[in-house]
Amino acid sequence: KAGVTQTPRYLIKTRGQQVTLSCSPISGHRSVSWYQQTPGQGLQFLFEYFSETQRNKGNFPGRFSGRQFSNSRSEMNVSTLELGDSALYLCASSLVLGTTNYGYTFGSGTRLTVV
Amino acid sequence: SQQGEEDPQALSIQEGENATMNCSYKTSINNLQWYRQNSGRGLVHLILIRSNEREKHSGRLRVTLDTSKKSSSLLITASRAADTASYFCATVGNQFYFGTGTSLTVIP
Repeated sequence: KAGVTQTPRYLIKTRGQQVTLSCSPISGHRSVSWYQQTPGQGLQFLFEYFSETQRNKGNFPGRFSGRQFSNSRSEMNVSTLELGDSALYLCASSLVLGTTNYGYTFGSGTRLTVV
Repeated sequence: SQQGEEDPQALSIQEGENATMNCSYKTSINNLQWYRQNSGRGLVHLILIRSNEREKHSGRLRVTLDTSKKSSSLLITASRAADTASYFCATVGNQFYFGTGTSLTVIP
């Protein structure tokens, strides 16, 4: 079956702009999580969506937002971009039974560069 | 703050040798998972060990879990150049936390 698909793969934006990243999870996976990865901070959890509802949220400012559609596809939006937002943004889908996560499948990521 | 901390931060070995990475965590967990990441790519799930398990094997991978010490280790036997990657542990309790990662280099 198809893996997790993230688009676009690479993106260059200017400070102050906004950006929307897309993630299509594995068919049947209803949980989608987003992570930001930078050399200095490692993997930082942004948020998790399950059945169109945000279930968990990390410690990021309100400029970072997301949503999930009825087909489980998810989008992440960053408004008023800052240079420090340059990072690899990873989306992961997972099969969740009850409250237990049995493992993520990650997409290849979107490399965002803010200039 | 990060839940999991890997040790060492970086490891360089010769092909054919074994590689051991350790992960320590802080709170109770439901399960612990190990992932591999090749440079600039997404993470690949390697193995999951539940909190009531002590050891698990998958091919050349061996994972141990000591819940009393809140630590886990990942052993890769007979390493290959293709094993060069960063390895992360992830602890799963109420939330999902990734450790800081161990960068493994296997020299051919």
